[in-house]
Amino acid sequence: GAGVSQSPRYKVAKRGQDVALRCDPISGHVSLFWYQQALGQGPEFLTYFQNEAQLDKSGLPSDRFFAERPEGSVSTLKIQRTQQEDSAVYLCASGSSYEQYFGPGTRLTVT
Amino acid sequence: AQSVTQLGSHVSVSEGALVLLRCNYSSSVPPYLFWYVQYPNQGLQLLLKYTTGATLVKGINGFEAEFKKSETSFHLTKPSAHMSDAAEYFCAVPQYSSASKIIFGSGTRLSIRP
Repeated sequence: GAGVSQSPRYKVAKRGQDVALRCDPISGHVSLFWYQQALGQGPEFLTYFQNEAQLDKSGLPSDRFFAERPEGSVSTLKIQRTQQEDSAVYLCASGSSYEQYFGPGTRLTVT
Repeated sequence: AQSVTQLGSHVSVSEGALVLLRCNYSSSVPPYLFWYVQYPNQGLQLLLKYTTGATLVKGINGFEAEFKKSETSFHLTKPSAHMSDAAEYFCAVPQYSSASKIIFGSGTRLSIRP
């Protein structure tokens, strides 16, 4: 079956613009995770959904970051008023707590 | 809080040589430990997973890892490196305080010399 997909794969935004990153999890997976991976670093947890409920958003770096999963399937990570420090690869994963399947990521570059 | 430390941000070996990538976890024994691999411009792929029980874990692509409680280590090995093994490798552990969170090490980039 299909894996986790993310779109767009690459996004260039001017500083101050809003962006929306989409994640399509594996069908039937109730858990969905977002991670941020800065250049040369390991992924860092942002937020977690179980179905449509956002159970943990402790990793979101500021109130400019917002995630939703309204119907318990597709999720969108939104970043408002992007800053240069937001430049990173944003990874989505679905699965269980102890086995997560990752998408290819969205590389965001803020200029 | 759980954490993992990967020693060596870059490891280079010759094709056919032993691969050894080091990972140490924080003092609390975790219920699970993972190694993930990331090829350029791709997402993370699970190589292997340790769960309580067997200390030697076999994964995909000929990799294996040994859990050593006395050394708080979970090093990744492969007897004979192949050019296709060139990638970034991450050791990871679930966070006790929240089962949803996985904590990743900073990664080790593996290069293979012909």
